[in-house]
Amino acid sequence: DQQVKQNSPSLSVQEGRISILNCDYTNSMFDYFLWYKKYPAEGPTFLISISSIKDKNEDGRFTVFLNKSAKHLSLHIVPSQPGDSAVYFCAASPQGAQKLVFGQGTRLTINP
Amino acid sequence: DTEVTQTPKHLVMGMTNKKSLKCEQHMGHRAMYWYKQKAKKPPELMFVYSYEKLSINESVPSRFSPECPNSSLLNLHLHALQPEDSALYLCASRTSGGYNEQFFGPGTRLTVL
Repeated sequence: DQQVKQNSPSLSVQEGRISILNCDYTNSMFDYFLWYKKYPAEGPTFLISISSIKDKNEDGRFTVFLNKSAKHLSLHIVPSQPGDSAVYFCAASPQGAQKLVFGQGTRLTINP
Repeated sequence: DTEVTQTPKHLVMGMTNKKSLKCEQHMGHRAMYWYKQKAKKPPELMFVYSYEKLSINESVPSRFSPECPNSSLLNLHLHALQPEDSALYLCASRTSGGYNEQFFGPGTRLTVL
């Protein structure tokens, strides 16, 4: 049972435009949601997180939106840059849990 | 210092070898993790250490043996591995506050021949 789903394996966006990566979850006990970026042969890099008591969190070009009723979160990157080309994983956990539950990842390609 | 470091970066070993992977963090995090990652897959949790004690073992085969000598160091001892164990091995550490953010090291690319 996949509790965190990223239904788009890949996404291609023009440089300078907005990239929107989506993530759905099924476990209503999740309190924390995180996004990671991963380049090939490197460890994932933490990007941004949000708590279930918020619906939006911003950090520079990255904004995460959370819709609890729909059990959906999204990561917006604007403007998209070539260096944003990577695999993006969303992850979730209940408060106090030691584990993160990861989605399968979305490969983002930014085209010049 | 906001970094998790891992050595070696690459490791090639035979099925009869014994080797160790090392991880270090100086962020004062008291939870440390070992993950295994295959290409095009998310990280797969192997072990969690909390306050230097093993708190989670995700039914990992005994040919993988973790060790936490102190709060900054984490080792993964490898013995009699199989070719299918070839993967990127990631170490991570976690803050004790916040939103359960885990910070990953660069990984060790392991190839078992």
